[in-house]
Amino acid sequence: AQSVSQHNHHVILSEAASLELGCNYSYGGTVNLFWYVQYPGQHLQLLLKYFSGDPLVKGIKGFEAEFIKSKFSFNLRKPSVQWSDTAEYFCAVYPYGGGADGLTFGKGTHLIIQP
Amino acid sequence: IAGITQAPTSQILAAGRRMTLRCTQDMRHNAMYWYRQDLGLGLRLIHYSNTAGTTGKGEVPDGYSVSRANTDDFPLTLASAVPSQTSVYFCASSPGQSLNEQFFGPGTRLTVL
Repeated sequence: AQSVSQHNHHVILSEAASLELGCNYSYGGTVNLFWYVQYPGQHLQLLLKYFSGDPLVKGIKGFEAEFIKSKFSFNLRKPSVQWSDTAEYFCAVYPYGGGADGLTFGKGTHLIIQP
Repeated sequence: IAGITQAPTSQILAAGRRMTLRCTQDMRHNAMYWYRQDLGLGLRLIHYSNTAGTTGKGEVPDGYSVSRANTDDFPLTLASAVPSQTSVYFCASSPGQSLNEQFFGPGTRLTVL
């Protein structure tokens, strides 16, 4: 079965620092890739997605992610974080032909931005 | 436009009781999903439905059942709740399998004592 690994479970940064959250998946076929964000007490919201084409995708709130097929990675980046970016971030994969429909999520990265 | 609504918002339930979590979407999406979110485990798929009248099992289906009588509603039933089912439950929908960006509801926080 496919799996998604998020390497950093907890990240603490100061405002204006640069951010990179790692995500690797284990499926060798065609995939769709997503990053979701969950602000405290709220439901998941889509940050960005990759279906095909340009492997560098831009999302909301200044976030971007790069799909590197050879590394099975889809890392999330933001050049300068804000206090309001404090949230839980989830990487997710949809593997075509990979079994049960639905997304496979990583375990999440809890990001805390200190003022 | 409400998107996806879930009810109840939260519930405390005695072990052994039957409970149905409700999910309704107004986007006419074909596919719907149920996930549970547990600390340190992320979200795990319980059941899904690609279209009205069909359902399938996800990663953690035991102890749960679903039905999809129409496009809009996708209830999740716990026939006899156990404490390990204490979790936050999220319903999601997407336009279809090949358009699988998923939209999430606000969640139901369930505590089984």
